[in-house]
Amino acid sequence: DAGITQSPRHKVTETGTPVTLRCHQTENHRYMYWYRQDPGHGLRLIHYSYGVKDTDKGEVSDGYSVSRSKTEDFLLTLESATSSQTSVYFCAITPRERGTDTQYFGPGTRLTVL
Amino acid sequence: GQQLNQSPQSMFIQEGEDVSMNCTSSSIFNTWLWYKQDPGEGPVLLIALYKAGELTSNGRLTAQFGITRKDSFLNISASIPSDVGIYFCAGQEVGTASKLTFGTGTRLQVTL
Repeated sequence: DAGITQSPRHKVTETGTPVTLRCHQTENHRYMYWYRQDPGHGLRLIHYSYGVKDTDKGEVSDGYSVSRSKTEDFLLTLESATSSQTSVYFCAITPRERGTDTQYFGPGTRLTVL
Repeated sequence: GQQLNQSPQSMFIQEGEDVSMNCTSSSIFNTWLWYKQDPGEGPVLLIALYKAGELTSNGRLTAQFGITRKDSFLNISASIPSDVGIYFCAGQEVGTASKLTFGTGTRLQVTL
């Protein structure tokens, strides 16, 4: 257990509305990641953070923004949700002592955009 | 971006059988990881490999880091019903610090 929680765990929203997903960790890990998981695509990186206020884009970042104002929280925002953003979203961390390779995942948020 | 080729995509086996699955890439990797995901949950790390040729076990699971650094293998011995799930490989490509590439998964189903 890497001490990761995600909220909400499930959300249904309408097209065009803003949505924010939260990832919270309790063990002071430096690296945090947001992924989406879709059938046939596996896990794809949206954005990641390597410290407070330090973030970078992943391979599928269009339509998403992130913020990290505290070490323990990494927020993913869909400014104007679209049906193509219906997915399961996972947060992950890399333990500080392990460097930048091994990642541990949270329980996920299932988002449905109608 | 690169994707990892994971095979087989799915497999049905009987309880007690051994299982093998593999993952290949077109690039050289520094790290290979194997995860298992149960329905409605996040992936759980099973085995991590950091050196070419490395063979690592975790209970009935054994994984190997291919000598070419472009592939990895996962074996499950004497499968049991709780082995059901989706197994993902992931790797860190040389020159891509902080990022992993994932395979599309092998769905394992075990019959009694």
